[in-house]
Amino acid sequence: AQSVTQLDSQVPVFEEAPVELRCNYSSSVSVYLFWYVQYPNQGLQLLLKYLSGSTLVKGINGFEAEFNKSQTSFHLRKPSVHISDTAEYFCAVSEGTGNQFYFGTGTSLTVIP
Amino acid sequence: SAVISQKPSRDICQRGTSLTIQCQVDSQVTMMFWYRQQPGQSLTLIATANQGSEATYESGFVIDKFPISRPNLTFSTLTVSNMSPEDSSIYLCSVEDPRTGFGEQFFGPGTRLTVL
Repeated sequence: AQSVTQLDSQVPVFEEAPVELRCNYSSSVSVYLFWYVQYPNQGLQLLLKYLSGSTLVKGINGFEAEFNKSQTSFHLRKPSVHISDTAEYFCAVSEGTGNQFYFGTGTSLTVIP
Repeated sequence: SAVISQKPSRDICQRGTSLTIQCQVDSQVTMMFWYRQQPGQSLTLIATANQGSEATYESGFVIDKFPISRPNLTFSTLTVSNMSPEDSSIYLCSVEDPRTGFGEQFFGPGTRLTVL
C-alpha cells in the first residue's frame, strides 16, 4: 500500500505571497499523482494531476506541481496566493485505473490579508 | 467529467439508528468508491462498489456496519448502521469516469453526518 505524507498540516501565508505545499509518497512503482482542494463545507475538487510526460503540471486557479521521481515528491506551488485560496489541500496517489486513491492528511492553507 | 450528487447533504441522527446515503452520477460508470472523512482528518476508503458484484471492503470496515448497494451504473447507496457518535464524519462517494480515463476520480459534495 502507498503512504502519502504531507509534511505541513497548516500553512499561513500573506496574500500575494508565494506558497509551496509539500507532498511525498512512498512507492517507487509507477503512480498517478493528484492534488485536490476542499473549500469549507464542500466536496473535493481536482486541482491538477500527473499521469505521465512533463514533470511540471499546471492546474486550475494558477496552481502548478512538479513531479520528482527520485525524491518521490509532488509539491504544489502558486506564485501569488489570493484570499480565495484559503482551503484544505489534499495530495493523493493512485497506482492506476481501478485502484484506490491514497490520501495525505491534508494541508490547511490560510491566506492572510 | 462526471457530475455527482449526494443525498442528504447533511443529517443529525440519534445513536442506534441507521442512515442511508445516496450517490447519483450523471453518466454510467463502472467503479464507485465510498470514503469517510472524520473531523480534521484525511479521507479513508470504506469500500469499492462495482455494479453487479459485492462491494469490496477495506480493512476495518465491514458489510454489517456499512452495507452498500449498487443496483445500476449510475447509482449507489451506503448505509451507516447502528450509529454511534464515532460515526460522525463526512461521507463521500467518488467515481472513475471512463471518458477521462487514467484513473482520475471525481467526488461528490459529501454527506455531513452528526450522531448524537
